[in-house]
Amino acid sequence: QVQLVESGGGVVQPGRSLRLSCAASGFTFSNYGMHWVRQAPGKWLEWVAIIWYDGTDKYYADSVKGRFTISRDNSKNTLYLQMNSLRAEDTAVYYCARGLSTSGSDYWGLGTLVTVSS
Amino acid sequence: EIVLTQSPATLSLPPGERATLSCRASQRISRYLAWYQQKPGQAPRLLIYDASNRATGIPARFSGSGSGTDFTLTISSLEPEDFAMYYCQMRSNWPPAYTFGQGTKLEI
Repeated sequence: QVQLVESGGGVVQPGRSLRLSCAASGFTFSNYGMHWVRQAPGKWLEWVAIIWYDGTDKYYADSVKGRFTISRDNSKNTLYLQMNSLRAEDTAVYYCARGLSTSGSDYWGLGTLVTVSS
Repeated sequence: EIVLTQSPATLSLPPGERATLSCRASQRISRYLAWYQQKPGQAPRLLIYDASNRATGIPARFSGSGSGTDFTLTISSLEPEDFAMYYCQMRSNWPPAYTFGQGTKLEI
């Protein structure tokens, strides 16, 4: 069955960096675009970034552009999110999700919590 | 930037009733609109994609409709497990961005 498992979250000071990983299994990872979506405590969902199935194109929300980098290693079935210059407002649960070709994400991981605090 | 506005913010209904949730876009968008259900402490669950297509395994009581700027999620007869948060999400054409609405809380 399809599984997405995020890791790498934790507590980090403002201005520091963190890298999240998402291990995929149960499907042909290299056939799908992948998203990162986050949710601050008690808030709504916020789309963060998408990477095309082959890694050729990447797009970001304005709130993270220039600070976050999405990448993937199709040989390892793994998605990444490199987060630099972290701010308090980046505190959230970060989910990875498998994208459908048109709209929607049909499988989601359980999320990993990132807390930015001094 | 296209903004999605969901209404109402909270909808209170008894089991067995029909629920109608609205998602309005600030500009005309394609039919690339999805609906999700989220329960506390859980990841979102895809219900509807491309405005009106039910995702795999989603009960027939969930339906989506709409085009242009106005989209609707309808739950024909509420079951106890349907009480949750609901989000819409659109995909803009270029550059690709996947904006979420702020959600509707469906409560008993």
